[in-house]
Amino acid sequence: NAGVTQTPKFQVLKTGQSMTLQCAQDMNHNSMYWYRQDPGMGLRLIYYSASEGTTDKGEVPNGYNVSRLNKREFSLRLESAAPSQTSVYFCASRVLATNEKLFFGSGTQLSVL
Amino acid sequence: KNQVEQSPQSLIILEGKNCTLQCNYTVSPFSNLRWYKQDTGRGPVSLTIMTFSENTKSNGRYTATLDADTKQSSLHITASQLSDSASYICVVSFQSGGYNKLIFGAGTRLAVHP
Repeated sequence: NAGVTQTPKFQVLKTGQSMTLQCAQDMNHNSMYWYRQDPGMGLRLIYYSASEGTTDKGEVPNGYNVSRLNKREFSLRLESAAPSQTSVYFCASRVLATNEKLFFGSGTQLSVL
Repeated sequence: KNQVEQSPQSLIILEGKNCTLQCNYTVSPFSNLRWYKQDTGRGPVSLTIMTFSENTKSNGRYTATLDADTKQSSLHITASQLSDSASYICVVSFQSGGYNKLIFGAGTRLAVHP
C-alpha cells in the first residue's frame, strides 16, 4: 500500500498562474484534508472532505478550491497564485472525521514568485 | 481562543541522552491529544494518542504524559538515536458544531548529534 500520494513534490509558479495539487489514498478512508505548513506555525486546514461527495472550508480557504473526485482522490486548486500561497502543502486522510489519526502524504513544496 | 503552544522551539542533544518536549494547550472542550513525528521532507506520522483519562502512555522509547487539569502534555524520549532527529508536533482535538476539529502546535525541532 502506498498510503497517501501527493503530486507534484515541488512546484514553482509565477503570480497569477494556476495549478492543481493532486492527492490520492489507497486505504479506503472516508475523510480527506488539505493543510498548509508555514515556518513557525502549526499546520492550518485549508479544506476538508468528511466523506465522498462533501467538501467544507477549513481555517484558511481563501484563494483555494477543492474537488473530491471520488473516494480515493482529493485535489486542491489555486486559481490565481499569490506569493502568500508559498508554503508546503500536505494532503491527509483518515477513516472517518472522528478522533482517528491522520495519515499524511509527503507534501508539495510550492513557491510563488 | 483555542491554542497549542510547544516548547522549546528547537533542541540539540547528544546521542544516547534523554529529552522532554512540552505542549501546553487552551483547547476546549478537549477530546484527545496526539504527538506526531515529522521527518524532514516528509509528512507527520502519529506516535501516540492521549485521552482525557490517560496520564501516561509509552511507545517504545517515547513516553507521553497528560495532565488534563493543567492542560499540559510532555513527550519524553529516552536514549535518543540519530533517527530521532525530526520535528515533533502536538495536536489537540476538540468537538465543535458536531465536528471533530484539530489544533496543531508549531512543533519542536529536535536534532540528535553523534
